[in-house]
Amino acid sequence: EDQVTQSPEALRLQEGESSSLNCSYTVSGLRGLFWYRQDPGKGPEFLFTLYSAGEEKEKERLKATLTKKESFLHITAPKPEDSATYLCAVQAHGGSQGNLIFGKGTKLSVKP
Amino acid sequence: DAEITQSPRHKITETGRQVTLACHQTWNHNNMFWYRQDLGHGLRLIHYSYGVHDTNKGEVSDGYSVSRSNTEDLPLTLESAASSQTSVYFCASSSRGRGYGYTFGSGTRLTVV
Repeated sequence: EDQVTQSPEALRLQEGESSSLNCSYTVSGLRGLFWYRQDPGKGPEFLFTLYSAGEEKEKERLKATLTKKESFLHITAPKPEDSATYLCAVQAHGGSQGNLIFGKGTKLSVKP
Repeated sequence: DAEITQSPRHKITETGRQVTLACHQTWNHNNMFWYRQDLGHGLRLIHYSYGVHDTNKGEVSDGYSVSRSNTEDLPLTLESAASSQTSVYFCASSSRGRGYGYTFGSGTRLTVV
């Protein structure tokens, strides 16, 4: 069964304190791994897509990396506005090829 | 600009009533999805559609139905609302093919009393 597990569930950082969020996945064949950001009361907002092990993507203070079993979202010198829930999702080969399987998310709080 | 809109944003309904949540997208996406989001469960797939007249059941489809009569709309109907269906509902759309992520609506918060 395809599965996505995110850790930690919650993370509190001080402004400027860099850290990483983890997304472990089990999937029959990976078509893509996605990172989303979700602010309270809003829908998830797309951040990155990664396709193959070794790939990296960057956007401002965020950098996503991918291995064969997990992905990391590295946050460098975070600011309070980076506070949000970060969701990881995988898209698998197979019958439901368009569907994303989501993890439960990591809630990030950045204090000034 | 293209967008995906959900309505209403908030709704309170009584147990046993039929409720329909609307989702409209102007991205011209083939794929459309309905998810519910609950604490401790994350996003769970209810129904999805890969095109006009195509509908499929997701992980938590019992008590819900959808129909797709055009590209732009995928309304979600709760046949007989139950308290267990109190949740936040998100509609999403995507293009076909590898690597196309979803574009999400802003959600509908549904309370069944």
